[in-house]
Amino acid sequence: DIQMTQSPSSLSASVGDRVTITCRASQSISSYVNWYQQKPGKAPKLLIYAASSLQSGVPSRFSGSGSGTDFTLTISSLQPEDFATYYCQQSYSTLYSFGQGTKLEIK
Amino acid sequence: EVQLVESGGGLVQPGGSLRLSCAASGFTFSSYSMNWVRQAPGKGLEWVSYISSSSSTIYYADSVKGRFTISRDNAKNSLYLQMNSLRAEDTAVYYCAREGAAAYFYYMDVWGKGTTVTVSS
Repeated sequence: DIQMTQSPSSLSASVGDRVTITCRASQSISSYVNWYQQKPGKAPKLLIYAASSLQSGVPSRFSGSGSGTDFTLTISSLQPEDFATYYCQQSYSTLYSFGQGTKLEIK
Repeated sequence: EVQLVESGGGLVQPGGSLRLSCAASGFTFSSYSMNWVRQAPGKGLEWVSYISSSSSTIYYADSVKGRFTISRDNAKNSLYLQMNSLRAEDTAVYYCAREGAAAYFYYMDVWGKGTTVTVSS
């Protein structure tokens, strides 16, 4: 099974900050990584697919990069509505798996 | 409006069974693969199961294999998850999610609001 490890597990930042979240796969998975945002009590929302493709309707301040085993999600200028938990997910294997999540909190 | 609505959650004793449903609307359900994903209280997301559009391909997470069965009825625009031999660790919010695709890349692009399953005596 492919393990996805996110870092950090939590992060404090201020509105306007640039933030980067990292996800590492236990084996090479090409660009088969997706990123989701989840707010408390809500369903996850797709932000980025195929490592770097922005889902329709998602603000351009979100971007993704990486290939192989190391991936990043970057928020260029944090907005108040961006404080949430972020998950990476691999779709390389037929048995999908998620990272443990990164909770982004207001400093 | 594209929508997924889960139902069927509730309180069940350990060893019991429950059947979850997911009603799809606003898109051609029969053209999409579907997934179940769960989230235990205060925990992260865990993928549970996948079913292809024609039901020809099915996968399960090791944690539920042999106990859970995914199925669908394209005529009724519905997805199901039959859960047997339930354990306390199956307690979670269960989401159904549509699988989108771009070339050979797959992702979950539409999610329901979830239904809560509690396994407790």
